[in-house]
Amino acid sequence: DAGITQSPRHKVTETGTPVTLRCHQTENHRYMYWYRQDPGHGLRLIHYSYGVKDTDKGEVSDGYSVSRSKTEDFLLTLESATSSQTSVYFCAISSQGDDQPQHFGDGTRLSIL
Amino acid sequence: GQQLNQSPQSMFIQEGEDVSMNCTSSSIFNTWLWYKQEPGEGPVLLIALYKAGELTSNGRLTAQFGITRKDSFLNISASIPSDVGIYFCAGHKAAGNKLTFGGGTRVLVKP
Repeated sequence: DAGITQSPRHKVTETGTPVTLRCHQTENHRYMYWYRQDPGHGLRLIHYSYGVKDTDKGEVSDGYSVSRSKTEDFLLTLESATSSQTSVYFCAISSQGDDQPQHFGDGTRLSIL
Repeated sequence: GQQLNQSPQSMFIQEGEDVSMNCTSSSIFNTWLWYKQEPGEGPVLLIALYKAGELTSNGRLTAQFGITRKDSFLNISASIPSDVGIYFCAGHKAAGNKLTFGGGTRVLVKP
């Protein structure tokens, strides 16, 4: 793997609770991305970051927020989790930008009951 | 929504067979990427293509960037059991756009 660690790897929680997922990279890459993967939808972009404190919304950002206070860490927060946010979440990094290959972490499987 | 159509959605392979899959769109793409995902893991980059007509190999895998820039193809030669997994294509259209992913082709072993 390209030095990407996602934590936790699995989480089960209840509707209405806050949840934070962490992506940590050791590659010093500028670009970081959060995706969710659901059957029938492939990978969909939630939020992305072009650097420290530089983040923006992706295709499916409603109900999610992100923060990037250090180059190596990109956090995804569900302020009040809903069952529709049950999914597998992937973090990806890229050294050179949106048109260059992204390298993925191993994912976090999140179940919201 | 999903703008890349992958086909077939699933396929069975027999050891030793050559197999092909493709990714098509109504839009023009400047970059095509092919990934493989195994259970419990993230997608792993197999091949990246940057020019129309480009043909690139990675071991038994060969991918091509279609001449129209609206499609890409991935071939696996002499299949082996560890080729099982989900293969995703991804494309990048133009500056300011993000990667678009196809829905994947699931490769399974014939019983």
